[in-house]
Amino acid sequence: AIRMTQSPSSFSASTGDRVTITCRASQDINSYLAWYQQKPGKAPKLLIYAASTLQSGVPSRFSGSGSGTDFTLTISCLQSEDFATYYCQQYYGYPWTFGQGTKVEIK
Amino acid sequence: QVQLVQSGAEVRKPGASVKVSCKASGYTFTNYDINWVRQATGQGLEWMGWMNPNSGNTGYAQKFQGRLTITRNTSITTAYMELSSLRSEDTAVYYCARVLGGQVWVFDYWGQGSLVTVSS
Repeated sequence: AIRMTQSPSSFSASTGDRVTITCRASQDINSYLAWYQQKPGKAPKLLIYAASTLQSGVPSRFSGSGSGTDFTLTISCLQSEDFATYYCQQYYGYPWTFGQGTKVEIK
Repeated sequence: QVQLVQSGAEVRKPGASVKVSCKASGYTFTNYDINWVRQATGQGLEWMGWMNPNSGNTGYAQKFQGRLTITRNTSITTAYMELSSLRSEDTAVYYCARVLGGQVWVFDYWGQGSLVTVSS
């Protein structure tokens, strides 16, 4: 199975900050990469797929980039509602696999 | 509006089975694959398997082969996930999720989750 590794595992940030989360695949996955946001007690929410395509209804402060093995999720101006855990997911190779998550906490 | 509504929390003893339902509404049930993903408390997301509601075809992660069965009842637009030979490590929240479509295997709508607790 393709292993997805996110970094960092957690970090603190302030409202208004620009933040970047990294996801690395154990092999080339082209652009078959999605990002999700999950808040405590809630189901994940799809933010981005195909590495950089914003899902309908997702604010434009979220963006994704990368291809091959290295990907990033950027939040350009962190809002209070963005404090959550973020997961990447590859859908290049079966079985689909997720990163371990990155928790964004309030500084 | 698209909704996936799951059945409630369950408690089972080790060795037993559990069946979780996922009622779909707001879209044509047979047009989108349904997947199941689980999450142990404080842990990450783990993909379990998929089903095409039109054909009934399924695919399971190797880890769950032989223990996992995904089925559906198209007349009531409901998918089911049954996990057998339960052990304590299966204690988790189980989610159903709809595939975005067009062979894009990402999940655009999720159920609210069903907590399954395995305890003697």
